[in-house]
Amino acid sequence: RKEVEQDPGPFNVPEGATVAFNCTYSNSASQSFFWYRQDCRKEPKLLMSVYSSGNEDGRFTAQLNRASQYISLLIRDSKLSDSATYLCVVIQGAQKLVFGQGTRLTINP
Amino acid sequence: DAMVIQNPRYQVTQFGKPVTLSCSQTLNHNVMYWYQQKSSQAPKLLFHYYDKDFNNEADTPDNFQSRRPNTSFCFLDIRSPGLGDAAMYLCATSRVGRGRELGQFFGPGTRLTVL
Repeated sequence: RKEVEQDPGPFNVPEGATVAFNCTYSNSASQSFFWYRQDCRKEPKLLMSVYSSGNEDGRFTAQLNRASQYISLLIRDSKLSDSATYLCVVIQGAQKLVFGQGTRLTINP
Repeated sequence: DAMVIQNPRYQVTQFGKPVTLSCSQTLNHNVMYWYQQKSSQAPKLLFHYYDKDFNNEADTPDNFQSRRPNTSFCFLDIRSPGLGDAAMYLCATSRVGRGRELGQFFGPGTRLTVL
């Protein structure tokens, strides 16, 4: 089993739709959680941290469920510019980042 | 603007010819990382420095070495590049505060081609 698993995708949704990604992690000792986005041939960019209390940043909402060991990302009112690969990242001990394989999202006009 | 800078952005080398990739940061972050990312795959951590402490991943080949002469700079040395080492190499930095990881910031990457 992979340490971090994401929805395989790809997701193709119309502009304005709501889309949700899930990510599960296997190490219950994982400490911190993040969502990154990566555009084609570019570096990953931090999208948001994920907290147990949930956090929202504009159209983006992230949730963490420690009991079930999953993380979610919700994008409302999707824009064409949201098209990217979304990477779930889990921090384990000693600053070890583990990336999910990424989910490719395409927003269609 | 504070940032993570990688040079060169594109590097072409010959099979077996050593190559060095550089990374610098103006964020004054205490942790620096090197990742390898191949097409359609997630970034794979090679090693990282927490201050001066070097942490090598168990599956990082001996062919890959790193140096961090000061807080701002970190280098990736590939001693004898093989065709399988062609990839994007990403440098990242982070600040660990009160034992917590506060998020990593990536440089634009160096795309390595091995002929």
